[in-house]
Amino acid sequence: NAGVTQTPKFQVLKTGQSMTLQCAQDMNHNSMYWYRQDPGMGLRLIYYSASEGTTDKGEVPNGYNVSRLNKREFSLRLESAAPSQTSVYFCASSENRVTEAFFGQGTRLTVV
Amino acid sequence: KNEVEQSPQNLTAQEGEFITINCSYSVGISALHWLQQHPGGGIVSLFMLSSGKKKHGRLIATINIQEKHSSLHITASHPRDSAVYICAVRSRASYDKVIFGPGTSLSVIP
Repeated sequence: NAGVTQTPKFQVLKTGQSMTLQCAQDMNHNSMYWYRQDPGMGLRLIYYSASEGTTDKGEVPNGYNVSRLNKREFSLRLESAAPSQTSVYFCASSENRVTEAFFGQGTRLTVV
Repeated sequence: KNEVEQSPQNLTAQEGEFITINCSYSVGISALHWLQQHPGGGIVSLFMLSSGKKKHGRLIATINIQEKHSSLHITASHPRDSAVYICAVRSRASYDKVIFGPGTSLSVIP
């Protein structure tokens, strides 16, 4: 049972490049989330998906798009990366919006 | 003022010591989570609680809803407990809003 799997684990991008962070869960969870974690700050929600086919903005959605491809997969896309998007990104899933969440291992993204 | 605050920010303890990490929040909540983030970066959920006390092994979490305060205790601390401990609250006003504290960095020295 892999839980929540994120790829890639590390990525370096040049300003203006695009990329997609992939996330998959095998726990049949309804809700999935994307967070970013910056030094000295708590995790901040970028986007979430309460169920397959729905997505909603979180606290810091600007510069990102998401796709809930199916119940298992929830991807995060940076269309034109900026240095301010240098961060560690975490995907998480939970059975529903009020149960505990399970986190992926994180993606360390650097935009130069 | 942040909606979720933790103290201390950093903590160094000797192996075997009893450790307490505090979390205070200013919003109405439906649940509070304690998470552990190891140096490798992975985040693990330790507890989810909405009242009273929960215990798992050497870890104990308590919450006082009236005082808007929670504590995480580690008994007989061990170097493998070294990690960042994060408190997070789920807003009662919006189940979709989870607010994370800044974390407490714990280092347990042998």
